[in-house]
Amino acid sequence: AQTVTQSQPEMSVQEAETVTLSCTYDTSESDYYLFWYKQPPSRQMILVIRQEAYKQQNATENRFSVNFQKAAKSFSLKISDSQLGDAAMYFCAYRSHGGSNYKLTFGKGTLLTVNP
Amino acid sequence: DAGVIQSPRHEVTEMGQEVTLRCKPISGHNSLFWYRQTMMRGLELLIYFNNNVPIDDSGMPEDRFSAKMPNASFSTLKIQPSEPRDSAVYFCASSQRLGLDTIYFGEGSWLTVV
Repeated sequence: AQTVTQSQPEMSVQEAETVTLSCTYDTSESDYYLFWYKQPPSRQMILVIRQEAYKQQNATENRFSVNFQKAAKSFSLKISDSQLGDAAMYFCAYRSHGGSNYKLTFGKGTLLTVNP
Repeated sequence: DAGVIQSPRHEVTEMGQEVTLRCKPISGHNSLFWYRQTMMRGLELLIYFNNNVPIDDSGMPEDRFSAKMPNASFSTLKIQPSEPRDSAVYFCASSQRLGLDTIYFGEGSWLTVV
C-alpha cells in the first residue's frame, strides 16, 4: 500500500518570503499522480497543484511550484511571495494511475502560518 | 462551471437521529467519492462510485453508514442511527474519469452529533 509522509506538522513564513513544504511517499508503482491540496479554515479542500510521475518537468502554478524527485520519492511544494491568504493546512496526496486503486492517499498535513 | 455542491454545510443532530448528506458532482464527472476527515484519522475514503455504481465501499465504517447514487448528478450518504463518534467533516468529491483525473472536492458537510 502507498503511504504519504509529511514530516513538518507546522511551518511559518513571513509575508512575501518563500517557504517549502516537504512530502515523501512510498510506492512500488512507476506511474502515478501527486497532488498538493490546501485546506483553509473554511475546511474546503482546494487543489493547488498536480504532477504526473511520467513528466520530468516540475509543475508550476503561479506562485506555487514543486520539486519532484522520483528516485528519491520526494514531492515538495514551494510557495513564493507568500501571502496572508496562503495560511492553511496543506496536504500532499498520492493517486495511482489507472489500475484498480483509485483513491487519494493523503499525508497528515502541514499547517502553514503566514506572519505579516 | 459549478464545483461539487454539498448540503448541508453544517448539521448538529442528536445521537440516534438519522443524518443524510447530499452531493451534486461536477457535471460530466462520472466518478464520485465520499471522504471523512477527523483529527484522529485524517482523511479517509469511505466509498466511491463509477458511473453511478458503487465500486469500493470497504472504507464505510459500519452498517450504520450507507451511500447511494441514483443518477449521475446526485448522491447521498446516510448515517442511521448517528453516534457522537460520527462527528466529522464529510467531503464529496468527483473526477471525470476513474483513476485518470484530478479529484475535485466539495466544501464539506460539518457534522456534529451530540
